[in-house]
This record gives sequence, C-alpha cells and structure tokens, in this order.
Amino acid sequence: SQTIHQWPATLVQPVGSPLSLECTVEGTSNPNLYWYRQAAGRGLQLLFYSVGIGQISSEVPQNLSASRPQDRQFILSSKKLLLSDSGFYLCAWSVEGGSYEQYFGPGTRLTVT
Amino acid sequence: GENVEQHPSTLSVQEGDSAVIKCTYSDSASNYFPWYKQELGKGPQLIIDIRSNVGEKKDQRIAVTLNKTAKHFSLHITETQPEDSAVYFCAASEGSYIPTFGRGTSLIVHP
Repeated sequence: SQTIHQWPATLVQPVGSPLSLECTVEGTSNPNLYWYRQAAGRGLQLLFYSVGIGQISSEVPQNLSASRPQDRQFILSSKKLLLSDSGFYLCAWSVEGGSYEQYFGPGTRLTVT
Repeated sequence: GENVEQHPSTLSVQEGDSAVIKCTYSDSASNYFPWYKQELGKGPQLIIDIRSNVGEKKDQRIAVTLNKTAKHFSLHITETQPEDSAVYFCAASEGSYIPTFGRGTSLIVHP
C-alpha cells in the first residue's frame, strides 16, 4: 500500500531563517506530487506541483521554492522566512498522469516568529 | 478557471441528526468531485468521491449526490456521531488538471 510521510511535524523558525520541509511517498512510482499551504485552519492553497523528477510548476509567486531530487521525494524550501509563511504545509500525491484521488500527508505546522 | 463555492462554512448538529454540505462549481468540464475530511492537526483524508457519469454514491453513513445540470454536488452524513466532527472540503477537477477546493465546512456534532 502507498504511504506518504512528511517531516518535521512541527517547526518554529525565526524570521529570516532558511526552511526545508521534506515529503516522501512509498509504494508507488512516478507519482504527481503537490505542496499546499493551509492558513487559519481552512482553505487549501496550492503552492507547487510536480509530474516528474526536476519538473516543478509554481502556482503562487512567493519566497518559497520546491525541488524533486528523486522520484518519490518532494522538498519545500525557503532562503529567508517571512512571518506570513506561517501555516500548515501539506504534501499530497496522486497517480501518474492524473490528479484524480489526491492523498495527503500528515502535514507540517510551521510557526515563524 | 474552475471556481468552487462551499456552504455552509460552519454546521452544528446534534448527535444522530443528518448533516448536508453543498458545493457548486463553475466549469462544466469538471468530471471528478471528491470530498475530504480533515481532523484537527491532521492532513485531509479522502472519504468519498463521485464522477460525472454517476448521480449518487453511498458508503455506509455518507453519500454524495451530483447534479451536473445545476453544477452542484452535496455530501450527506446520516446518524451523525461526535467523531464526525471535522472540517470537510469538497473539490472539483477535470481529468488530469489540478483540483479546485472549496473553502471548507466545519462540522460540529454535539453529543
């Protein structure tokens, strides 16, 4: 069966510090991968998605970036965090070739102080 | 692009009552409509979905209905239980395109 992992589960970082969040998927090959941000406990904002290694599409201009160094690994990064980057970050995957049936990870709670 | 509206934003019911959450979409090409349940501090979990060639789908106490003509779909939960308390999201997508999510409904089931 497929499993999606995210870490860390929680993170408190000062403004201006770097960020690296990791997501890995097990039990499937060449999945579509997604990063979402959820602020104020509601609303899923799509940040990035990837259909393959090294292929990243950005949905929202921001100081965040994403990379996919391996087939089942998706990383969300920032060089300098802003207060507005606080939120709940969710990674999701879907089968190759389609966005049907997205499956979400457990999320990372990021607080920028 | 697609636009999904979800109502109500908050729904409070007594245990044992039914709950209905409604969503409308704008793109007539959308053909896949999932519903997610998100418990506090966790990621959303897919609980039921429906495709445009079906008008209704049931899974135990939950059901989803789809009206393609009116472009709306609904989640129905019968015999609600306190563990049904969560935020529910609807979404709409067309094939391989990225789904568009509603803004969520906070369901509170009072024991």
